[in-house]
Amino acid sequence: SAVISQKPSRDICQRGTSLTIQCQVDSQVTMMFWYRQQPGQSLTLIATANQGSEATYESGFVIDKFPISRPNLTFSTLTVSNMSPEDSSIYLCSVDGGGTEAFFGQGTRLTVV
Amino acid sequence: DAKTTQPTSMDCAEGRAANLPCNHSTISGNEYVYWYRQIHSQGPQYIIHGLKNNETNEMASLIITEDRKSSTLILPHATLRDTAVYYCIVRGNTGGFKTIFGAGTRLFVKA
Repeated sequence: SAVISQKPSRDICQRGTSLTIQCQVDSQVTMMFWYRQQPGQSLTLIATANQGSEATYESGFVIDKFPISRPNLTFSTLTVSNMSPEDSSIYLCSVDGGGTEAFFGQGTRLTVV
Repeated sequence: DAKTTQPTSMDCAEGRAANLPCNHSTISGNEYVYWYRQIHSQGPQYIIHGLKNNETNEMASLIITEDRKSSTLILPHATLRDTAVYYCIVRGNTGGFKTIFGAGTRLFVKA
């Protein structure tokens, strides 16, 4: 299993600013994933982050808006840039269990005002 | 990319079995069926997964049809704490596969 810690757990931000969300895993993992969950909706995959290479973004998500870092095998950050109220969502980090299930953090609840 | 179909919502009486169906008619031979749930304001929680045989663990049972085009998650004795959104997902079982979520089924367990 893997234990994932996300910081911050929640934040209220002004429009036009940026927020960096941190994801720490208690074991080394090859792949980390970032999701967005808009109010009342399911989870949508933003990107896959591999250590040592650029993140791979899903359709509709771009690096300029959601830059991702993956400096080592236990840590990643997602930045939500130039925020607008439409970015108000829960952002979740996930890791691959290495062959079985995926594990998820508790999420970062972002409100943009 | 979601390749599953689930009912939007279901009700279940406390103490009774909750049977949550899922259609995955385009599942390929190397894809597994996974179930997760998300209790309000929490991250998704893994429940169970299977390839073609029925599976059971301490949380639930998974029944997969012989043609693998559909499955049913069974919570044998639902409690109020089982109220959540349940997601049926198909994906590969080795490292590196993305977990793509559909809309899920919102299960309400009522006293």
